Amino acid sequence: AQSVAQPEDQVNVAEGNPLTVKCTYSVSGNPYLFWYVQYPNRGLQFLLKYITGDNLVKGSYGFEAEFNKSQTSFHLKKPSALVSDSALYFCAVRDYGGATNKLIFGTGTLLAVQP
Amino acid sequence: DTAVSQTPKYLVTQMGNDKSIKCEQNLGHDTMYWYKQDSKKFLKIMFSYNNKELIINETVPNRFSPKSPDKAHLNLHINSLELGDSAVYFCASSQDWGRRPYNEQFFGPGTRLTVL
Repeated sequence: AQSVAQPEDQVNVAEGNPLTVKCTYSVSGNPYLFWYVQYPNRGLQFLLKYITGDNLVKGSYGFEAEFNKSQTSFHLKKPSALVSDSALYFCAVRDYGGATNKLIFGTGTLLAVQP
Repeated sequence: DTAVSQTPKYLVTQMGNDKSIKCEQNLGHDTMYWYKQDSKKFLKIMFSYNNKELIINETVPNRFSPKSPDKAHLNLHINSLELGDSAVYFCASSQDWGRRPYNEQFFGPGTRLTVL
C-alpha cells in the first residue's frame, strides 16, 4: 500500500547549522515525491518535488532534497538553517500507476530553529 | 491576487447545523481538492474533482457533499454537523491531474471549523 513516513515529530537545530528532515515512502508504481511547508495558521506551500532524473532536487528558500531509490527515502535538507524556517514540513508521495492514484501526506515534522 | 481562496476563514457552529465552505481558484487549473487536517495536523484527502467530475471520493460520511459548479469553484457542504467534524479544511488545486501527475498542488489558507 502507498504510504509516507516521517519518523521525527520534531527536529531542533541551531540557526546556521545544517538541517535534515527525514522522509521514507512505499509505493507500488512510480513515485512522485513532494515537500510542502506549513507556517502557523496558513495553508501548505510547495517547496520542491522529485519527478525523475537527477536525485538531488533544489527548491524554494534554499531547500533541497535527495531522492534515494534503494533506501526509498526523500530527505529534505538545507545547508544553513534560519529562524524563519521554523514551521511544519510535510512529505508527500503520489503513487502514479500504482494501486492508488492520489497524493498521500506524511504526518508532518515540526522544525524548530533556535537563534 | 489570491490564487486559491476559501470562505469563511473561521466557522463556529452548533452540533446538528448545516454549513458550507466555498473555494475558488484563479489559476486556471482543472482539478480541485478538499483536505481535512485534524487537531494532530494529519492531512487527509476527502474529495477531488477534475473538470467538474468527481474523481476521488474517500471514505467520508455522506453528510459531506462536495459540489463543483465550474472548474474554478469547489464547495463543501456539511449536514448535521458533529463534534468530530471540528478541523481545518483546506481546498487545493492543480493542473493536468491525469496527464501530469507530478504537478504540485496549490493550497488555500484553510477554514477552521469548530463545532460546539
